[in-house]
Amino acid sequence: GAGVSQSPSNKVTEKGKDVELRCDPISGHTALYWYRQSLGQGLEFLIYFQGNSAPDKSGLPSDRFSAERTGGSVSTLTIQRTQQEDSAVYLCASSFTGTSGGFEQYFGPGTRLTVT
Amino acid sequence: QQPVQSPQAVILREGEDAVINCSSSKALYSVHWYRQKHGEAPVFLMILLKGGEQKGHEKISASFNEKKQQSSLYLTASQLSYSGTYFCGTFYGGATNKLIFGTGTLLAVQP
Repeated sequence: GAGVSQSPSNKVTEKGKDVELRCDPISGHTALYWYRQSLGQGLEFLIYFQGNSAPDKSGLPSDRFSAERTGGSVSTLTIQRTQQEDSAVYLCASSFTGTSGGFEQYFGPGTRLTVT
Repeated sequence: QQPVQSPQAVILREGEDAVINCSSSKALYSVHWYRQKHGEAPVFLMILLKGGEQKGHEKISASFNEKKQQSSLYLTASQLSYSGTYFCGTFYGGATNKLIFGTGTLLAVQP
C-alpha cells in the first residue's frame, strides 16, 4: 500500500515568509509525528497527534511553529516568519497507534526547507 | 533526556561485527531502533519493550537492559547494505507518546 507522503519535497523561501508543509499518513494510522532534522543531526521531535486527542506540542521550538491535523488524517505544519535557522529537513511519520502501543513509525521522504 | 549513543561513528569491513549502544538517564519503557541511509527517510529496525518482548528485523539483534537503562544493537557479519546512520529512540511511558531520538551512530561498511 501507499506509504507516508509529504509535499513539497523541496521548498526554498525568503526569510520572513510563511511556509506550509503537508503530510499524508498511511491510511488507518491514528498517530502522526513531525520531526526536524538539521544537516548531520539527529531527529528532533516537534509535535504528536493521536486520534482526536489534544496534540503534544512540547517539541515546537517557538510560537512561529504550529500544526494541525484535519479529520484525523492529513497534517499541515506551518512556520510563520521563517528564519534561517529553520532550514532543515522536516520529516513526518505515522504509526498504527501511539508509541505506548509498541508500534513502529513509518517515515515520509521529508520536506527540505531552505530559508534564504 | 536525550539518550546517548556510542560510538559516534564506526568503520567496518564486510563480514565484521559491530555493537551500537544507547544509554538513558531515565527509566525506559521501550527502545526503538531505526536506520537512515544518506538522503533517505529513517526505516524501522526493531522495538524492544520493557519485559522482554521484541519486534523487528530478522538479521539484526538487540538487547534491552532495563536495570542499566540501556540498549545495544548487534550487527553481525555486516553487509554493505548495513551502511547508514543508526538512531535509537527512547520512550519513557506515561502520558506522552513521543520518542526521543539519540544523536545517531554513523556506520560505514567497506568492501
